Amino acid sequence: DAKTTQPTSMDCAEGRAANLPCNHSTISGNEYVYWYRQIHSQGPQYIIHGLKNNETNEMASLIITEDRKSSTLILPHATLRDTAVYYCIVRSLLNTPLVFGKGTRLSVIA
Amino acid sequence: DGGITQSPKYLFRKEGQNVTLSCEQNLNHDAMYWYRQDPGQGLRLIYYSQIVNDFQKGDIAEGYSVSREKKESFPLTVTSAQKNPTAFYLCASSMRREIGTQYFGPGTRLLVL
Repeated sequence: DAKTTQPTSMDCAEGRAANLPCNHSTISGNEYVYWYRQIHSQGPQYIIHGLKNNETNEMASLIITEDRKSSTLILPHATLRDTAVYYCIVRSLLNTPLVFGKGTRLSVIA
Repeated sequence: DGGITQSPKYLFRKEGQNVTLSCEQNLNHDAMYWYRQDPGQGLRLIYYSQIVNDFQKGDIAEGYSVSREKKESFPLTVTSAQKNPTAFYLCASSMRREIGTQYFGPGTRLLVL
């Protein structure tokens, strides 16, 4: 699976959009981009995933660049409860397990 | 109320002792997973099972053992061979064909006395 690069930490003001970037320049054509988050001392929570089209659900939006070498997770109106570590993961559908990196620590500030 | 339960929340182990961490799910998922998380680090896969009576080693299986006798249950034993067992252990499950979409339990924190 392709390697991902994420910033170590980010801050966001409460009520503003949080835009979390992820670089995956070696992604191959059959690999999906997954996002999870982990609130302190809890289990990770699945957020969203996509292949090449932009995706949106009740939690977030995922924007994947046309060349698929990077993506952005958007939390449209961040709240204090969105403070967490966000993991960007690239994997194929060939039954390969998820590989979690260190992620981005997002702090939402009042 | 569907989900994954892990018990206990905290577990203390003496040197040389085996301990077993429980993981139960009622989501009717075929696949289950065990991860280890050290402070400030991401999750590392210990073992996973895609079907009853079958399981595969992950990246850090040494010093651990598992069983999968029932679809709902996937206990993890931390043996005395695991020299540095202090960590946060997370169990997850998924549909067999949707390995990327996993549901996690609340975790068990293991401390060595």
